[in-house]
Amino acid sequence: KNQVEQSPQSLIILEGKNCTLQCNYTVSPFSNLRWYKQDTGRGPVSLTIMTFSENTKSNGRYTATLDADTKQSSLHITASQLSDSASYICVVSAAYSGAGSYQLTFGKGTKLSVIP
Amino acid sequence: EPEVTQTPSHQVTQMGQEVILRCVPISNHLYFYWYRQILGQKVEFLVSFYNNEISEKSEIFDDQFSVERPDGSNFTLKIRSTKLEDSAMYFCASRPGTRPSNEQFFGPGTRLTVL
Repeated sequence: KNQVEQSPQSLIILEGKNCTLQCNYTVSPFSNLRWYKQDTGRGPVSLTIMTFSENTKSNGRYTATLDADTKQSSLHITASQLSDSASYICVVSAAYSGAGSYQLTFGKGTKLSVIP
Repeated sequence: EPEVTQTPSHQVTQMGQEVILRCVPISNHLYFYWYRQILGQKVEFLVSFYNNEISEKSEIFDDQFSVERPDGSNFTLKIRSTKLEDSAMYFCASRPGTRPSNEQFFGPGTRLTVL
């Protein structure tokens, strides 16, 4: 069964500090891995998407890494801001032939709180 | 910037009643999805829809659920006889084409509360 595990479950950091969130997955056949930011009561918003051949991708202060051999990814947030407080969700897409629906498997997310 | 919209933002219903959740995907997108998120839990896939038919569905998407694209712009999720455990946020998503990296764009969600 396809699964995505994230750690830590929650994290509290001081404004301006860096942090790294982890994601392990067992999804096959692998298509791509995404990191989403979800504010409370809102829909997920994409931060990065990485395919099998990409090791790292940045989006402003967010940098995602992918090790397809070990099936691990991380999201590094630099110089955190209060607005970074949200759940960060690792989502892995499996590729299916035919229908091409690219079903997504979601992790439970890491709840990040940035405090002044 | 185009975005996925969903209505209503919050729906309260009595157990056993039918509800229809509405979504307007981004206009040139081809694939459409419904997900749900029970409070405090992870987002779960319900169904994908392409070329006016269901392309994939999860075990959650049983006979009580149905989807429709009635007019080429709206994409609806119907729950025929709601149960207490259907209470959740329901997210609609769409994506443009067939490349694997095509991003899914999520709507803001409809919070369904079944009493």
